[in-house]
Amino acid sequence: DTGVSQDPRHKITKRGQNVTFRCDPISEHNRLYWYRQTLGQGPEFLTYFQNEAQLEKSRLLSDRFSAERPKGSFSTLEIQRTEQGDSAMYLCASSPRDRGLNTEAFFGQGTRLTVV
Amino acid sequence: KQEVTQIPAALSVPEGENLVLNCSFTDSAIYNLQWFRQDPGKGLTSLLLIQSSQREQTSGRLNASLDKSSGRSTLYIAASQPGDSATYLCAVQGGSEKLVFGKGMKLTVNP
Repeated sequence: DTGVSQDPRHKITKRGQNVTFRCDPISEHNRLYWYRQTLGQGPEFLTYFQNEAQLEKSRLLSDRFSAERPKGSFSTLEIQRTEQGDSAMYLCASSPRDRGLNTEAFFGQGTRLTVV
Repeated sequence: KQEVTQIPAALSVPEGENLVLNCSFTDSAIYNLQWFRQDPGKGLTSLLLIQSSQREQTSGRLNASLDKSSGRSTLYIAASQPGDSATYLCAVQGGSEKLVFGKGMKLTVNP
């Protein structure tokens, strides 16, 4: 396993279209995270899964956003009716962590979304 | 609400200099602090993780320290090289699973 994998790497879409991104975490990592990063800013937390359960969602995650992690393996992030403000890098991370133990988060290469 | 600050936002130095990158956070109740490197248009590469009970971590030319009570961490880069040019981000994990990031510091090491 070579790390967290994200697909596609780049996506250009027209405003109003739906897009879906995929993240494959490091195998045996039970925790998976989605972050969004805009130019010149640090990543901002969107949502978190432990196995297949979505345990935390940011207020940044509007009703147009939905994330799933069926069977606790890969995850998808869908954005419906995209807006220009959705243009950003979407980053996925995974971690084997139990609180207080090996807590390092490993990130993928991201999906760059451009809404035109 | 946890806030993470990295100052300065950018730094340009000649090759060979020893560097200190600063990170401060407002809430000292953290589980850990992690330093990342990000190359343009790429994802994040984890450099060092310091758990709240630790004072420092070292990896090669990198050394990170943590002073939880004062809300500060520093990343020390020894003998900088042009290949170290990137944006460096620090992030803290507090009472929830999420990481809270600073805006990063863009480092340029000139040959």
